[in-house]
Amino acid sequence: GAGVSQSPSNKVTEKGKDVELRCDPISGHTALYWYRQRLGQGLEFLIYFQGNSAPDKSGLPSDRFSAERTGESVSTLTIQRTQQEDSAVYLCASSQSGTSTDTQYFGPGTRLTVL
Amino acid sequence: AQSVTQLDSQVPVFEEAPVELRCNYSSSVSVYLFWYVQYPNQGLQLLLKYLSGSTLVKGINGFEAEFNKSQTSFHLRKPSVHISDTAEYFCAVSRVQGAQKLVFGQGTRLTINP
Repeated sequence: GAGVSQSPSNKVTEKGKDVELRCDPISGHTALYWYRQRLGQGLEFLIYFQGNSAPDKSGLPSDRFSAERTGESVSTLTIQRTQQEDSAVYLCASSQSGTSTDTQYFGPGTRLTVL
Repeated sequence: AQSVTQLDSQVPVFEEAPVELRCNYSSSVSVYLFWYVQYPNQGLQLLLKYLSGSTLVKGINGFEAEFNKSQTSFHLRKPSVHISDTAEYFCAVSRVQGAQKLVFGQGTRLTINP
């Protein structure tokens, strides 16, 4: 398949533990986005990568959240010292160029549950 | 900043009936508008988008939406729905300038009853 993939699909963790969520974008897509979807709410933008430029981290809710991307490939979203309010579905999307007219293609998401 | 309001959290309709899902937005700058659909156990998929030109935009699966600048609305419509249209629908906007950081509404759950 040529779509965006994410792993794991589900993650249950204990409060205070660190978690890593992985995203594999569509091959050749230079732009990659992370969003968070809390229960009953819309998606919230977290972070945006475009090529080799510095990422736009303006949506990260706290310094416990960080993300990395290796070149134009895999990205990892890390949440340190998880809290119950971090429970949500984390969605990754990629687009060909990152321009405002582009189409974002979403992965199936990782459902994170913090006990 | 931009914000999006989807006026109905749930919309139940009978099969083959028409449907309208409402979306209003607020922004101090020019925006592009999008509708995404999330079928059960699947990722979000783009239905349609308005960038410029004709205010009536046609998308996949027989859906269309009309951009109304004066009312800051972008309502989604379908003249006759099918069971397979059961899904959650999200309206979103992004600034014309800069990267496409989508701002989403809270979603509308469309349920089609036979």
